[in-house]
Amino acid sequence: QKEVEQDPGPLSVPEGAIVSLNCTYSNSAFQYFMWYRQYSRKGPELLMYTYSSGNKEDGRFTAQVDKSSKYISLFIRDSQPSDSATYLCAMSAGANSKLTFGKGITLSVRP
Amino acid sequence: NAGVMQNPRHLVRRRGQEARLRCSPMKGHSHVYWYRQLPEEGLKFMVYLQKENIIDESGMPKERFSAEFPKEGPSILRIQQVVRGDSAAYFCASSPGVAKNIQYFGAGTRLSVL
Repeated sequence: QKEVEQDPGPLSVPEGAIVSLNCTYSNSAFQYFMWYRQYSRKGPELLMYTYSSGNKEDGRFTAQVDKSSKYISLFIRDSQPSDSATYLCAMSAGANSKLTFGKGITLSVRP
Repeated sequence: NAGVMQNPRHLVRRRGQEARLRCSPMKGHSHVYWYRQLPEEGLKFMVYLQKENIIDESGMPKERFSAEFPKEGPSILRIQQVVRGDSAAYFCASSPGVAKNIQYFGAGTRLSVL
């Protein structure tokens, strides 16, 4: 079993849709949870950061962490064509330690 | 306010040659991480360094790969005697090393081995 599992996609939605992206994990030591966005041929860009369980909202983006279920989600409201990218979940056990990534899901938002 | 700088952006090597990848962290950041992204794969951790110290090299292949982060200058990821399987995108990330584990990534170096 991989430490972090992410829905493989790809995912295609119409503009304005609500997008739900999910990851599950097996390592109960993970405490720091992140979502990165990666455009083609570019480096990952940090979107959301959450410590431990709970919700965090930033504009059209909401991140949720449920440690009891070992499940994290990213919601994108009013999706835009510019949101078309690969989304990577990442997590770590310590404040200064390696990130373990999901494989990523490619999202396409159709105008 | 420069971000994480990696060079070169693209590197072509023939089998058996050496590849040197450079990473300059964000200003004020003293922690550097290297990750590798193979086609159709997610990012995989390779090594974590602080100035002059390797903190975690659990993701580094046992042979041909080495990394350093000297007191002065960029961090270097060195791959000796490259093989076709080393072709990948190599990303460097830096963090300030405070309580939050927020890592900022560079644009990557795409290594192609002919």
